[in-house]
Amino acid sequence: DQQVKQNSPSLSVQEGRISILNCDYTNSMFDYFLWYKKYPAEGPTFLISISSIKDKNEDGRFTVFLNKSAKHLSLHIVPSQPGDSAVYFCAASKDRGSTLGRLYFGRGTQLTVWP
Amino acid sequence: GAVVSQHPSRVICKSGTSVKIECRSLDFQATTMFWYRQFPKQSLMLMATSNEGSKATYEQGVEKDKFLINHASLTLSTLTVTSAHPEDSSFYICSAGRAGGTMYFGPGTRLTVT
Repeated sequence: DQQVKQNSPSLSVQEGRISILNCDYTNSMFDYFLWYKKYPAEGPTFLISISSIKDKNEDGRFTVFLNKSAKHLSLHIVPSQPGDSAVYFCAASKDRGSTLGRLYFGRGTQLTVWP
Repeated sequence: GAVVSQHPSRVICKSGTSVKIECRSLDFQATTMFWYRQFPKQSLMLMATSNEGSKATYEQGVEKDKFLINHASLTLSTLTVTSAHPEDSSFYICSAGRAGGTMYFGPGTRLTVT
């Protein structure tokens, strides 16, 4: 049962434009969400996170938006750069606390940024 | 810099042998670490939760006698793939949660069983 879903397996964006990666979840117990970037044969790298008490979190070129009523979050990358080309995973946790518990992952979206 | 390390990064072994993969949190203590497996073009699949000082918790369908997990200290968890078979070939990744709410992943270990 996939509790975190990334319905777009791939996204292609021109350099300089905005990349929008989407994620939906089904479990209302999730209270913390994270985005990871992953290159082939490497572990995921943490990008940005958001707590369920917020609806937006921004860090440089990366902004995550959370719509709890729709159980939807999105990652915006502006401006997109070729080096952003990677697989992006959305993840959710039910254990925000002081230390995260297990994460539930989406299947990932392959982002390609072309010059 | 990296906060979670894995060793080795790549290993090739013969069918029937055992392989140990180490996961270390470098500058923080982790009472809980997680082991994932990733198949080509698929998401990360949680295999087990490694608990310091107690038995690991395995996800449904993961053989605990085949994938032995030992969390001997607050900075080290090991995954041993016993009697490896070619179908165990995969990319294994560990993670550790740091106090304050961020989960860090190791760089992964590519296991190839011939």
